[in-house]
Amino acid sequence: SQTIHQWPATLVQPVGSPLSLECTVEGTSNPNLYWYRQAAGRGLQLLFYSVGIGQISSEVPQNLSASRPQDRQFILSSKKLLLSDSGFYLCAWSVYWERQPQHFGDGTRLSIL
Amino acid sequence: GNSVTQMEGPVTLSEEAFLTINCTYTATGYPSLFWYVQYPGEGLQLLLKATKADDKGSNKGFEATYRKETTSFHLEKGSVQVSDSAVYFCALSGNNDMRFGAGTRLTVKP
Repeated sequence: SQTIHQWPATLVQPVGSPLSLECTVEGTSNPNLYWYRQAAGRGLQLLFYSVGIGQISSEVPQNLSASRPQDRQFILSSKKLLLSDSGFYLCAWSVYWERQPQHFGDGTRLSIL
Repeated sequence: GNSVTQMEGPVTLSEEAFLTINCTYTATGYPSLFWYVQYPGEGLQLLLKATKADDKGSNKGFEATYRKETTSFHLEKGSVQVSDSAVYFCALSGNNDMRFGAGTRLTVKP
């Protein structure tokens, strides 16, 4: 069966520090991968999606970047965090022919101090 | 902006009872609609979807019909099982974001 792992579960970082959140999927090949963010009182906003290794699409301009170094690995990064980067980040995947997430990870709660 | 409202829980039913979880939405344009389910100890997973008006999504005995005239996407199942106990989320996709309802916890008793 397929599983999705996302870590860490919680993270507290100072302003200006770097960020790396990792997401891996097991039990499937060539998945579409997604990063979402939920800011307080808002819905899930799509940040990035990827249809293959090295292929990243960004939906909103921001302080974050994403990379897909391996087929089932999706990394969310920042060189310098801002206070506005605080929020709940969710990784998700779908089979390659679906355009919407089918399975979500457990999420990372990021607090910027 | 887009939003989703679903019936509050918790909902407790006996096995083989009929289930309805109401969901209504507000959106501009033509959103896609989804039901996600979260079983105990697991992450959110897609249960069914509908991408245009009058489409019916179905999976595992659950159904929901995209009703544009009533802006609704109610989830139904004719005969629930104990294994259906979970939290159900209605969701809407549009403008590069997804809006989720607050979730409805369903408990099915044998």
